[in-house]
Amino acid sequence: GAVVSQHPSWVICKSGTSVKIECRSLDFQATTMFWYRQFPKQSLMLMATSNEGSKATYEQGVEKDKFLINHASLTLSTLTVTSAHPEDSSFYICSARGPIRTDTQYFGPGTRLTVL
Amino acid sequence: KNQVEQSPQSLIILEGKNCTLQCNYTVSPFSNLRWYKQDTGRGPVSLTIMTFSENTKSNGRYTATLDADTKQSSLHITASQLSDSASYICVVSPPSYKLIFGSGTRLLVRP
Repeated sequence: GAVVSQHPSWVICKSGTSVKIECRSLDFQATTMFWYRQFPKQSLMLMATSNEGSKATYEQGVEKDKFLINHASLTLSTLTVTSAHPEDSSFYICSARGPIRTDTQYFGPGTRLTVL
Repeated sequence: KNQVEQSPQSLIILEGKNCTLQCNYTVSPFSNLRWYKQDTGRGPVSLTIMTFSENTKSNGRYTATLDADTKQSSLHITASQLSDSASYICVVSPPSYKLIFGSGTRLLVRP
């Protein structure tokens, strides 16, 4: 149980385009989802937290107009990187937390974004 | 300031050997401490989870220990295999939702 999927697993796009990444909780309802970014040889950095049906809370230094987060249902959150630039190239990982085990986050497999 | 520090940054061992990874934290109080394994290009996978009252937890060849007095945890890997090559991340969970990540130890197991 507690499986989180991400789609796509990797994406290559041109500079200036927008890219949408999906995060799904497959077998539980995720009241809260988290988006992380990970640069090579570094640990995960929290970008934002989203609760179903409400606006996301962004960490300091993360541009909310550039990284649009939507958590419209209890099983799906999306991260849209708008007007992507090469410096946005990174590994994006989502995690989800259910209503019962609130001390546990289940991580997705990640999405590798490369902006040319 | 809540911090989690791991050592060593990287480690190379021969297949079949044992190794121990260290984690020191300043997070207090905390709900639990987890060790994750992250393969290259993949998301983290939980290996062990311990509350502040637990001293040790095993998962196959992985054994985690926790000393709440000294605020130290370790992850011991026995009889290493090539597939153990990965980053191992210590993560402390304070009562709030925000996880505190260590920078990880990159382990390479050589044949």
